Formats: sequence, C-alpha cells, structure tokens
Amino acid sequence: LAKTTQPISMDSYEGQEVNITCSHNNIATNDYITWYQQFPSQGPRFIIQGYKTKVTNEVASLFIPADRKSSTLSLPRVSLSDTAVYYCLVGGYSGGYQKVTFGIGTKLQVIP
Amino acid sequence: SQTIHQWPATLVQPVGSPLSLECTVEGTSNPNLYWYRQAAGRGLQLLFYSVGIGQISSEVPQNLSASRPQDRQFILSSKKLLLSDSGFYLCAWQGQLNTEAFFGQGTRLTVV
Repeated sequence: LAKTTQPISMDSYEGQEVNITCSHNNIATNDYITWYQQFPSQGPRFIIQGYKTKVTNEVASLFIPADRKSSTLSLPRVSLSDTAVYYCLVGGYSGGYQKVTFGIGTKLQVIP
Repeated sequence: SQTIHQWPATLVQPVGSPLSLECTVEGTSNPNLYWYRQAAGRGLQLLFYSVGIGQISSEVPQNLSASRPQDRQFILSSKKLLLSDSGFYLCAWQGQLNTEAFFGQGTRLTVV
C-alpha cells in the first residue's frame, strides 16, 4: 500500500500562495493522487486529482514530478475560509477506495 | 445529481446500548460505499466498504458491523457500544469508474 507523508501543519497569511507537499515513495503504476479538504465537523471534500504532470482546476493546482514519488497541492491567494485540513491520498484506481488510507492530513491555518 | 444523506448528525448513547447509523445515496446506482471513523485530531479510519448489495468487507476488527440491504443504503450497527466507539462517523460513496469519493455530513457519536 502506498503510504503518504505530509506536514502536520502549516500557517499562511491571507493572499499568499500555499504549497503543500506530499511524499508517496511507494506509489504504484495505477495509483492516482487525490487531495481532499476537510472543515471541522464536516466530511472531506474533493479538491483535485491527477496522475502525472500538472492538473489545474478553479480551486487549486496539482504538480506531480515525473517519478510521481511526491506531489504538491498549490492553493493560490488563500483566504481565511481556506483554513482546513488537507489530505493527500494515493490509490483508487478502478474505482475503489478499499485500500486507500486517509492520514492525519495537513492542518492549514490562514492568518489575517 | 447525486446526493448522500447521513443521519443523525449528533448522537449521545450510553455504554452498552445499540447503535444504528444510516446512509443513503441518491442519483446513482451500484456505488461503492464506505464507513469511516475519525477520532478527535486524527485521520479517517476505514471501517467497512461495500461493492454491492450484501457484500461487506471489514478493514479493522471491532464491535461494529455494517449491512447493505439495498443498493444505495448502508447501515452501521453495534449491539453494545463501548466508550472507545465515540467519534465522528462518515459515510462515503464512489462511482465504479470515478476515483473521487463523496462524503456525507457525518455523525458525531458520543458514548457516555
């Protein structure tokens, strides 16, 4: 099983770009990389997913190097409402999360 | 559009009492269904998953059980709750060809 490692916490000021890096040295060929956001007392919410190179949507960008052993979630110009826990997940190919583990995530605190 | 309903939102139960949490999904068919538990300040622990009616797999041994009596209904149960069963329980669904998972709003269970 691909294990992920990410910083436990990060602080950022409003308006700054935030980059959260996740290590997944044992990623399998068929694994996707997915990021979720969780606010207190709510279920996680999908942010972005990628397999290789760069993926961008209206919320974030995901950078994945060629070896795929790490990935970086980039949040442009964060606001106070981006304060949340961010989870990096690896796996999920063929539509299953049976062996996908949510770690403790990265707690992002945005400071005014 | 697809929606997931999970109830109740909060629950306080005495030790030794039974438990039944229900999760239903609308707008999709034959989803993968998941139950997770999140202890305070911890990551999400996968408890059960189901790929079809009557098909339940358990990820960790515990005094909890799950059932899937209908395609879009997933129930988490216990005959006798323990103090250690307290936590935030989340139900999630995932399409067969989609690696993104959608979470319910969660149930905050406190066993006293």
